[in-house]
Amino acid sequence: AQSVAQPEDQVNVAEGNPLTVKCTYSVSGNPYLFWYVQYPNRGLQFLLKYITGDNLVKGSYGFEAEFNKSQTSFHLKKPSALVSDSALYFCAVRASGGYQKVTFGTGTKLQVIP
Amino acid sequence: DVKVTQSSRYLVKRTGEKVFLECVQDMDHENMFWYRQDPGLGLRLIYFSYDVKMKEKGDIPEGYSVSREKKERFSLILESASTNQTSMYLCASSSPGVLNTEAFFGQGTRLTVV
Repeated sequence: AQSVAQPEDQVNVAEGNPLTVKCTYSVSGNPYLFWYVQYPNRGLQFLLKYITGDNLVKGSYGFEAEFNKSQTSFHLKKPSALVSDSALYFCAVRASGGYQKVTFGTGTKLQVIP
Repeated sequence: DVKVTQSSRYLVKRTGEKVFLECVQDMDHENMFWYRQDPGLGLRLIYFSYDVKMKEKGDIPEGYSVSREKKERFSLILESASTNQTSMYLCASSSPGVLNTEAFFGQGTRLTVV
């Protein structure tokens, strides 16, 4: 069975500092990995994905994520946090073959402090 | 602009009622999903469908059923609503392809069962 772990319920970071939101995964075969963001009382918005190729992927709003196969991780990063980045972030995984079931983590609340 | 539309933002139903949650997508996607979101538990997959009239159970299908008679519409049915089904319900759709594989989400339906 595939799974995603987001070990931190909440991450606090000062505005202007770099941020990291952690994610590890388990899946059979090659993974497709995703990050989504959710603002209060809204659906999820897609940020970025890793399918294949370069391990560092860039996405919306200045976010990037690094795929590490040996550590089965896909951490979300941003060089300089903004107060408007405060939201709930979800990591997700899907196997590259078979049924395209997508499994999400429990989410990490990012709080950027002015 | 791609769109996944859920029929209601907020619903209040009584215990024992049969409840229908409707979702429509305009992207011609083969895959559609229903998740429920609860604090601390993240998104949990209830059912997904990879084609018209095709469905697969997710991680928590008990107490739910689904219907997909047309490609663009995926309905979630609570046969006899119970208070433990009070939650935020999110519908999503995606393409089975490799390049455009991210899921697009509706705005969510907050269901309260009293």
